[in-house]
Amino acid sequence: DAGITQSPRHKVTETGTPVTLRCHQTENHRYMYWYRQDPGHGLRLIHYSYGVKDTDKGEVSDGYSVSRSKTEDFLLTLESATSSQTSVYFCAISDGTSGDSTDTQYFGPGTRLTVL
Amino acid sequence: AQSVSQHNHHVILSEAASLELGCNYSYGGTVNLFWYVQYPGQHLQLLLKYFSGDPLVKGIKGFEAEFIKSKFSFNLRKPSVQWSDTAEYFCAVTHAGNMLTFGGGTRLMVKP
Repeated sequence: DAGITQSPRHKVTETGTPVTLRCHQTENHRYMYWYRQDPGHGLRLIHYSYGVKDTDKGEVSDGYSVSRSKTEDFLLTLESATSSQTSVYFCAISDGTSGDSTDTQYFGPGTRLTVL
Repeated sequence: AQSVSQHNHHVILSEAASLELGCNYSYGGTVNLFWYVQYPGQHLQLLLKYFSGDPLVKGIKGFEAEFIKSKFSFNLRKPSVQWSDTAEYFCAVTHAGNMLTFGGGTRLMVKP
């Protein structure tokens, strides 16, 4: 398995509170991604990073921000959590270096977030 | 809108039955195709991928998939399923760049 860890693995929080999820990789890969998984929707891309301090929005980025200050860490922040952000969040890394469509993504163990 | 469709949301099979899960995409031009599996409580794992060449791709655990360009399909098959194949299966596509677009997933339950 790819060397990806996510923390925390489970979190329950209240509406309106800030939440930060961490993804850590030991593979030194350039590309990192945050997805959310909801029943019937598969995985949807929230944000991704193509290098330190280089990030861009995905399909469902509203209400989320990200930061990448080191190659190995990619943080996802919910500035003010809402119940619609209750989901399972997966981090992924890509083995490519040029952002080519033949890159393969490998996934972390996930974080289950519940917003009450 | 460009999308990936998995029309079977839930599939129930008995052990030793054959499996075929459908995946269709709506992108034109060159695509790269993936199947991922998620066992209960676990993260997604890559089953197989297709970039070019032989349209019949073999993956891990006895799975294979066939790319049929004319039908925009990439169906997943296994000749004889086992109870341990109980999982959710996701088809995904990259089109331009390395952004994955996923189908909604198919939950497979294999009865012993």
